[in-house]
Amino acid sequence: GDSVTQMEGPVTLSEEAFLTINCTYTATGYPSLFWYVQYPGEGLQLLLKATKADDKGSNKGFEATYRKETTSFHLEKGSVQVSDSAVYFCALSPNSGYSTLTFGKGTMLLVSP
Amino acid sequence: EAGVAQSPRYKIIEKRQSVAFWCNPISGHATLYWYQQILGQGPKLLIQFQNNGVVDDSQLPKDRFSAERLKGVDSTLKIQPAKLEDSAVYLCASSSSMWGSSYNEQFFGPGTRLTVL
Repeated sequence: GDSVTQMEGPVTLSEEAFLTINCTYTATGYPSLFWYVQYPGEGLQLLLKATKADDKGSNKGFEATYRKETTSFHLEKGSVQVSDSAVYFCALSPNSGYSTLTFGKGTMLLVSP
Repeated sequence: EAGVAQSPRYKIIEKRQSVAFWCNPISGHATLYWYQQILGQGPKLLIQFQNNGVVDDSQLPKDRFSAERLKGVDSTLKIQPAKLEDSAVYLCASSSSMWGSSYNEQFFGPGTRLTVL
C-alpha cells in the first residue's frame, strides 16, 4: 500500500538557519503530495501541495518540489523563525477515488532565538 | 467562515468505559473524516463519510468503534469498551471532495485528546 517516510525529529535550529525536512513516498500511480503543519494546541493545517511531477509548492517561505525520479518531496525554508516551531507532516493522496490522505509520522521542529 | 468544531477537547476515562466524540464540519462540506493520531505518529484514517454514507471504514476496529453521520452534517465517533491502546488524539476533518474529483483540501478540527487509564 501507499506509505510516507519522514526524517525523525526533533530538528533543532537557531533562528535564521536553513531548514530541510526529508520526505520520501511509496505509491502506485502518481499521487498528489502535501505538507501539513500542526502548531501547539491547534489542528493540522495545509502548508503546501504539489499535484504532479516537477511541481513546486510554496507558502510562507516554505518550498517543496515533487521529484518523481527520487520519489521525494523535501520541505525547505531559507531562514526559519521561532514561530515556525511546530510538527510537520508529509502526506500523499491518490488522484482517484475519494483522495484519502496517507501521512508520515511527523517531524518536530524547534527553533530557538 | 467557521472551522471544524470538535468536542470535548479532552477526555479521561478508565478502560472498559465508553466514550463519544462529536464533530461539526464546515458548512456545505460533503466529506467527513475521522482520524486517530497516536503520540509520535501521523494521523491514521478510521472512517470516511460522503454525505451520510460510509465510503471507507477499512481501518475502523468495528468490534469497539462505531461512527455515524446523521443527516449528512454532524458526526459522532464512539468507543465501547475502551482499551489502553485507544489513548490518542481523535481528529475530525472535512472537505468538499467528491468521488473522482481532484484533491480538495481537508480542513482539520483541533482534535479530542483521549486518555484511557
